[in-house]
Amino acid sequence: GAGVSQSPSNKVTEKGKDVELRCDPISGHTALYWYRQSLGQGLEFLIYFQGNSAPDKSGLPSDRFSAERTGGSVSTLTIQRTQQEDSAVYLCASSLGQGTGGYTFGSGTRLTVV
Amino acid sequence: DAKTTQPPSMDCAEGRAANLPCNHSTISGNEYVYWYRQIHSQGPQYIIHGLKNNETNEMASLIITEDRKSSTLILPHATLRDTAVYYCIVRPFRGNAGNMLTFGGGTRLMVKP
Repeated sequence: GAGVSQSPSNKVTEKGKDVELRCDPISGHTALYWYRQSLGQGLEFLIYFQGNSAPDKSGLPSDRFSAERTGGSVSTLTIQRTQQEDSAVYLCASSLGQGTGGYTFGSGTRLTVV
Repeated sequence: DAKTTQPPSMDCAEGRAANLPCNHSTISGNEYVYWYRQIHSQGPQYIIHGLKNNETNEMASLIITEDRKSSTLILPHATLRDTAVYYCIVRPFRGNAGNMLTFGGGTRLMVKP
């Protein structure tokens, strides 16, 4: 597609439930990144996929968080047993992964845990 | 990664040039300077990047000092729609390995009529 697509745009869930957030990167982009942004805060790196390499999971805040990228394209971020502190905007970005070009971000998924 | 220092906020009059400074005194030879902005309730938007030469595109100009320890993003004719948080980031170039961006606090630019 023309841009990075994320779904859903908004998600309200009850504490303790699992949620899945989806990211469709730009076609041909080999690198995919997940960030989150809590209200009024900066962007916090979560995880990074580059081609067929093992993902960089160094930013995942706990083992309740996991992400997959199937076929080198679509990615799903899963949060298990959600907590109120998980409430944030979850942003996905993709890039060519080569050269020095910038990222393209999606519009994010606003997650609210009640 | 090298860290950057930006003023937390700036004001600019509509139609005037907005000059946003960034210090990156510990930048190393293979690190590029990137600028992104985030308009309220949107994802960050790539603006421009450079290594050591000044760069210009349809959005902005990037001036990097000769010693590469600081840079300035210039929006030549700021509009109200340029009101956003502007992030200056340094990122090493590692060929196919890529690298994630580390966002700091940025500068909140307020363009006023």
